[in-house]
Amino acid sequence: AQKVTQAQTEISVVEKEDVTLDCVYETRDTTYYLFWYKQPPSGELVFLIRRNSFDEQNEISGRYSWNFQKSTSSFNFTITASQVVDSAVYFCALSEVPGNTPLVFGKGTRLSVIA
Amino acid sequence: EAGVAQSPRYKIIEKRQSVAFWCNPISGHATLYWYQQILGQGPKLLIQFQNNGVVDDSQLPKDRFSAERLKGVDSTLKIQPAKLEDSAVYLCASSRVPGAGEDYEQYFGPGTRLTVT
Repeated sequence: AQKVTQAQTEISVVEKEDVTLDCVYETRDTTYYLFWYKQPPSGELVFLIRRNSFDEQNEISGRYSWNFQKSTSSFNFTITASQVVDSAVYFCALSEVPGNTPLVFGKGTRLSVIA
Repeated sequence: EAGVAQSPRYKIIEKRQSVAFWCNPISGHATLYWYQQILGQGPKLLIQFQNNGVVDDSQLPKDRFSAERLKGVDSTLKIQPAKLEDSAVYLCASSRVPGAGEDYEQYFGPGTRLTVT
C-alpha cells in the first residue's frame, strides 16, 4: 500500500527565512509520481510540482526547490526567503499513474510565515 | 480555461438529514475524483470516475454515500443519512487521461465545507 508521511505538523518562520518541508513516502511500485500541493486559507488545492520516480534531478522554480532522493524515499520542499503569502498548508502526495490513479496524500504541514 | 466548479461552498445540516454536492469538471477532463478532507488531515479518495463509469469506489461508505456521473460530465455526491463524522470538506478534482495531452495533473475545485450538527 502507498503511504505518505509528513512528520512536521506545523512550522512557523519569520519572513525571509528559508524553510524545508519534509516528505517521506512508501510504495511497492517501481514507477510512481510524487507531488506537492499548496492549500491556502481559501481551501483550494493548488498544484506545485510533479516528479516521476525515474527523474531524481532536483528542481528549482523561483523561490521553490525540491529535493528527490530515492535512496531515502524522500521528496523535500524548500522555500527560500519565505514571504507571508507562502503561509498555507502544504501537502505531499503520491500516485501510480497521473490522470489514471488517485492521489495518496500526507497529513500536510501548516506553514506560518510571520512578518 | 474555467476551473473545476463545485456547489454549494458551505452546507450545515443536522445528523440524519440528506445532502448533495455538485461538481462540474474542467472541459475535456475524462477523469473525475471526489475526495473527503477531514480537518487536520490530507484529502482521502472517496470515488473515481472515468467518463461515466466508476473506476474505484473501494473507500466510499456505500451504506450512506452515493455518487453518479451521468453523461460523463457533471457529478453529484450524496450523503443519506448524514452522521456527525461526515463533517469535512468534500473536494472534487478532474484530470485528462494519459495520452490525451501533456497536462494530466489533477485540478481541484474550491470544495464544499459540510458541517453536520
